[in-house]
Amino acid sequence: GQQVMQIPQYQHVQEGEDFTTYCNSSTTLSNIQWYKQRPGGHPVFLIQLVKSGEVKKQKRLTFQFGEAKKNSSLHITATQTTDVGTYFCAPNSGGSNYKLTFGKGTLLTVNP
Amino acid sequence: DADVTQTPRNRITKTGKRIMLECSQTKGHDRMYWYRQDPGLGLRLIYYSFDVKDINKGEISDGYSVSRQAQAKFSLSLESAIPNQTALYFCATSDPGTGAAGELFFGEGSRLTVL
Repeated sequence: GQQVMQIPQYQHVQEGEDFTTYCNSSTTLSNIQWYKQRPGGHPVFLIQLVKSGEVKKQKRLTFQFGEAKKNSSLHITATQTTDVGTYFCAPNSGGSNYKLTFGKGTLLTVNP
Repeated sequence: DADVTQTPRNRITKTGKRIMLECSQTKGHDRMYWYRQDPGLGLRLIYYSFDVKDINKGEISDGYSVSRQAQAKFSLSLESAIPNQTALYFCATSDPGTGAAGELFFGEGSRLTVL
């Protein structure tokens, strides 16, 4: 079955530094979603990537989907304290019935 | 009001007790899910339902059961709670019409402690 690894598990940065989290799958994906969970909160959808090599941007966040559709990354430029939280990837291998599984997440802390 | 509402938000119970966590949604979505979150383990799928007559086991269904009483309601039960079921539980909904898999909309979570 599909196995997904998300790295790193933790990342602590100084405010203003960049941050990247990676999601790697053992199988080719149909699409991948990214979520953010603030401390004490619930996961909130950020974006969905579908196409091979796709790159999408949301302000300081850049999301990439690998050419082989087996990996993805989320990059934050010039982190701010509001970026604190856990970022999860949710890869989907497709099929007639979609059920989302999640990576273990990357906890980002930002030192002001 | 929240679109996906979970009750109770917090619950402390004892080993062997039966517990029900309830989820209701006003989004009109057919698909509903129950996830469990433990520190360092991310979100793990317990059960999911793609419509009222469709119930499916997820990754970690042992020790849990569910009931889809209506399109808007999906309940998770622990028939005989044990301490390693202490966790944060999330209900979520999705609409496949919004995308290939449909983004998930999560409730605020139910924190369960089993003593």
